Amino acid sequence: DAKTTQPNSMESNEEEPVHLPCNHSTISGTDYIHWYRQLPSQGPEYVIHGLTSNVNNRMASLAIAEDRKSSTLILHRATLRDAAVYYCILRDLNAGGTSYGKLTFGQGTILTVHP
Amino acid sequence: SQTIHQWPATLVQPVGSPLSLECTVEGTSNPNLYWYRQAAGRGLQLLFYSIGIDQISSEVPQNLSASRPQDRQFILSSKKLLLSDSGFYLCAWSVGGNGELFFGSGTQLSVL
Repeated sequence: DAKTTQPNSMESNEEEPVHLPCNHSTISGTDYIHWYRQLPSQGPEYVIHGLTSNVNNRMASLAIAEDRKSSTLILHRATLRDAAVYYCILRDLNAGGTSYGKLTFGQGTILTVHP
Repeated sequence: SQTIHQWPATLVQPVGSPLSLECTVEGTSNPNLYWYRQAAGRGLQLLFYSIGIDQISSEVPQNLSASRPQDRQFILSSKKLLLSDSGFYLCAWSVGGNGELFFGSGTQLSVL
């Protein structure tokens, strides 16, 4: 799988927007960009994913650069409950159904939200 | 709706003792099942995955084994625990063709 690079940590204030960057310069044409987050002492949870176009859901927005070599997860209004480790992961859909679930997690970005 | 159950939540075991962690999934059929481990302050490492009953693939050589005796049951075992087996163990499932992974609440294992 192609590698992603994220900052080790970021800080934000409550109710402010947060932009979490991810670099993936070796991304292939069939790699989807997935974001998961892990709250303390819990398993990771899915946040959002996309291929080329920007994506929005109830949790966040995903902005994908035109060349797809980077992306940004956007939390529009951070809350204290958004404090977590955020993982940016690439998955190749052409790898097949069985390997599609084999997500490779990096170190992620530790997001701290201040009240 | 689908749910995943993982137990126990915490476990303290002496070195050399056996281990059995169980994971069950409800509300779906023929899921892909996964065991991940997270050492303190580190990322998640995939240990095993399974695409069906008695079909187990190991990602890394280790002191652990996995079994899938039923479609929605995944068990992680060890005959003799090592100190290095300590960590946060997570079970997860997915459905083929859908990349979203659903994780259990995890088991914090401390080997002393």
